[in-house]
Amino acid sequence: QVQLQESGPGLVKPSETLSLTCNVSGGSVSSYSWSWIRQPPGKGLECIGYIYYSGSTNYNPSLKSRVTISVDTSKNQFFLKLSSVTAADTAIYYCARYEGRAYGVDVWGQGTTVTVSS
Amino acid sequence: QSVLTQPPSVSGAPGQRVTISCTGSSSNIGAGYDVHWYQQLPGTAPKLLIYGNTNRPSGVPNRFSGSKSDTSASLAITGLQAEDEADYYCQSYDSRLSGSWVFGGGTKLTVL
Repeated sequence: QVQLQESGPGLVKPSETLSLTCNVSGGSVSSYSWSWIRQPPGKGLECIGYIYYSGSTNYNPSLKSRVTISVDTSKNQFFLKLSSVTAADTAIYYCARYEGRAYGVDVWGQGTTVTVSS
Repeated sequence: QSVLTQPPSVSGAPGQRVTISCTGSSSNIGAGYDVHWYQQLPGTAPKLLIYGNTNRPSGVPNRFSGSKSDTSASLAITGLQAEDEADYYCQSYDSRLSGSWVFGGGTKLTVL
């Protein structure tokens, strides 16, 4: 079955760009839609955005100006870039497979903790 | 302030039935968008528990059920077990946010 694994720096300095990779195994990244979701310490879930198999994207309006989600089909990976980070971006970041509006998010990575601090 | 409103906490004794509400508005649940529920055990990633308002993915016990009416949805858990102690989140979509996802604030279920 499909498995997801996030990777990237655990510490990012304020004003810099957070970059994460999600490695997809057991399935093709070109067959589904993919998402990034985050969870600040002790708080709830927040959708950052998602990318359809067609390549089109949908971003959380509150983050839209700072977010880019992309896919590399040759490496079976997808990516998150979040620019101009502040301490408020400190969170666990999850990559996940998005099955569509009728089906929700059915496969999640284990999550990776990103701290924004100088 | 979450777009979808959930009670911060609920509790119940083993064997009992509990429900968790998810209240939205005419731009999300009331607009006909599907509601999904996720279970997050302590220290783990969320897991899809109910999709499309009422459907259980393979492997989810039938003790878990979902319903939806007007601008709200509910998750019911019967025959409560200690292993059900977790955070539960509802999720839908909102037309005022260009169809973006919205999550409830989460509900902590304590099994007494």
